[in-house]
Amino acid sequence: GQQVMQIPQYQHVQEGEDFTTYCNSSTTLSNIQWYKQRPGGHPVFLIQLVKSGEVKKQKRLTFQFGEAKKNSSLHITATQTTDVGTYFCAGPERDDKIIFGKGTRLHILP
Amino acid sequence: NAGVTQTPKFQVLKTGQSMTLQCAQDMNHEYMSWYRQDPGMGLRLIHYSVGAGITDQGEVPNGYNVSRSTTEDFPLRLLSAAPSQTSVYFCASSYSTISASGEKLFFGSGTQLSVL
Repeated sequence: GQQVMQIPQYQHVQEGEDFTTYCNSSTTLSNIQWYKQRPGGHPVFLIQLVKSGEVKKQKRLTFQFGEAKKNSSLHITATQTTDVGTYFCAGPERDDKIIFGKGTRLHILP
Repeated sequence: NAGVTQTPKFQVLKTGQSMTLQCAQDMNHEYMSWYRQDPGMGLRLIHYSVGAGITDQGEVPNGYNVSRSTTEDFPLRLLSAAPSQTSVYFCASSYSTISASGEKLFFGSGTQLSVL
């Protein structure tokens, strides 16, 4: 079946530094979604990318979908303590199964 | 709207016991699913349903049963709990099946299950 791989597993950054997490799929995706889970919380939807090469921004967060629709990235500029959490990418296996990557846990050092 | 409601929030079982994790949503969502989250393993799909009366297996279905008798409810049953089922369980729903149409998953707050 489809595999969605995410790196790195953990990332420690100083507050104010940038952060990037990468997601790679073994198959071409019709779309990719990103979720954020705060410590002790539940995943919350951030964004969906659909088009090849698509780039979307949400304030300090930039999301990219690769040209081949097999990889994606999330970049955070000038991290803040509110960015702490685990970031997951997720892609559909067929239309009705959403497969998640293992996530990247972001720690912010003050 | 309450969104996706999971009960209980915490549960401790002994090996071999059975129990049902409850999940209800009040958003008239057709699609519902169960995930388990273990350290370093991300979210793994257990079972899912695309509508009342329809269920299917996910990545890790063994040891779990589901049913979908109504649109609102999607309970997850552990027939004979094992220590390997110690995990955090999340129920999630969306308006329709996930496709290019922009459907997103809404998650419940989770159930932390320990099997001794």
